[in-house]
Formats: sequence, structure tokens, C-alpha cells
Amino acid sequence: GAGVSQSPRYKVTKRGQDVTLRCDPISSHATLYWYQQALGQGPEFLTYFNYEAQPDKSGLPSDRFSAERPEGSISTLTIQRTEQRDSAMYRCASSLWPPSQINNNEQFFGPGTRLTVL
Amino acid sequence: DAKTTQPNSMESNEEEPVHLPCNHSTISGTDYIHWYRQLPSQGPEYVIHGLTSNVNNRMASLAIAEDRKSSTLILHRATLRDAAVYYCILTNDYKLSFGAGTTVTVRA
Repeated sequence: GAGVSQSPRYKVTKRGQDVTLRCDPISSHATLYWYQQALGQGPEFLTYFNYEAQPDKSGLPSDRFSAERPEGSISTLTIQRTEQRDSAMYRCASSLWPPSQINNNEQFFGPGTRLTVL
Repeated sequence: DAKTTQPNSMESNEEEPVHLPCNHSTISGTDYIHWYRQLPSQGPEYVIHGLTSNVNNRMASLAIAEDRKSSTLILHRATLRDAAVYYCILTNDYKLSFGAGTTVTVRA
């Protein structure tokens, strides 16, 4: 597609429910990232994929968070047993791989999913 | 990740240049300096990056100190659409660590 898309744009859920967020990256981009952004703060890295591989999950806050990218394109971020502290904007980004001196891993961000846990 | 220090906020008048400083005294030899900005209610967008030499593109210029311990993002003629949070980020791999950034306000 023309840009990174995410769905849903807004999600309201009750504490304890599971939620799944979706990201559709730019079609030519092999690398996909997930970030969490609290209100008034910069995005924080959660995890990333190169194609289907997930080399770094170090930013995931707990084992309730998981991400998949089974066919190397669309990715999902699932939060199990949601808690109020999970309320945030979840942003997806994609980039070319490998990074070159020209693009140097320029990341293109989607519009985000605003998650509210009641 | 090496840390960066930016002022919390800056104000500018429309049509005037804006100089956004960033200190990164612990930068390593392989760290690139990236700038992203985030307009209200939008995701971050790439502005510019550099390693050692000054860089120009259609959006901005990046001036890098000779010792690489600081850099300055220059918006040559600020417009109201440049009002955003600007992030200075050091990276030598895939990960971007955003920090708090500088909130730029542009007065008409």
C-alpha cells in the first residue's frame, strides 16, 4: 500500500479482555516495528520483525504481550488479560532492510491504534 | 543506547529560522544522528540523519559538531505546519529511542 496502515484506529476494552491490533506495512518493507506511546511521551520500542523472524522482543513489557508476522507482511500485536496501564497509543512502523547509508533505516509510521482499557 | 539531551520547548515566529540543539556527549563512532518529528495527532516522521558531515534535504539541515558531541537541526523558514515535537535520536541499528523531544511552537 501507499503507507503503513493500522486497525482498529480506536479500541476500548474492559480490564481482563484480550485485544489484537493489526499492522499492514508498506509492501516493499521487510522490517516492521511495534512501539508503545503513552500520552505526552515519545514512542517506546516493543519489538521488531525482519520478514517472519522476530530477533528482538526485549521491549515487550510482560509475557501478556506478543506479536506475530507469520507471512512476513501483516503483523498483529496481542495483549492478553489487559490492564489499565496498557492504555496507550500503539504505533507500527516499517522500513527497508538492510539499512543503507542512504536510507539508514528510515522508519515510516502508521497512524496508530489508541487503546483504552477501562 | 547513547542518550541525547534536548530543550523541552522552543518558540519561533513564522518565516524565521529555527535552530534545535541536541547534545550527545556519549555518542559512539558508529552512531548515526537521526531527527524525527511528530505533528499533533500523527505518527512520527523522519526528518533527516547524518553521521559526520552536515546534511541538507528538502525539509531541513543538520549541522554536526566536529567532535560529534552535539548537533543542530535547522528549519530554514518555519511555517505553522512545522509545529511539532522534534526528536533527536542516536542509533547504530534498528532501534529508535525517542526520549521526550523538543516541542516547537510557531507563532503566526
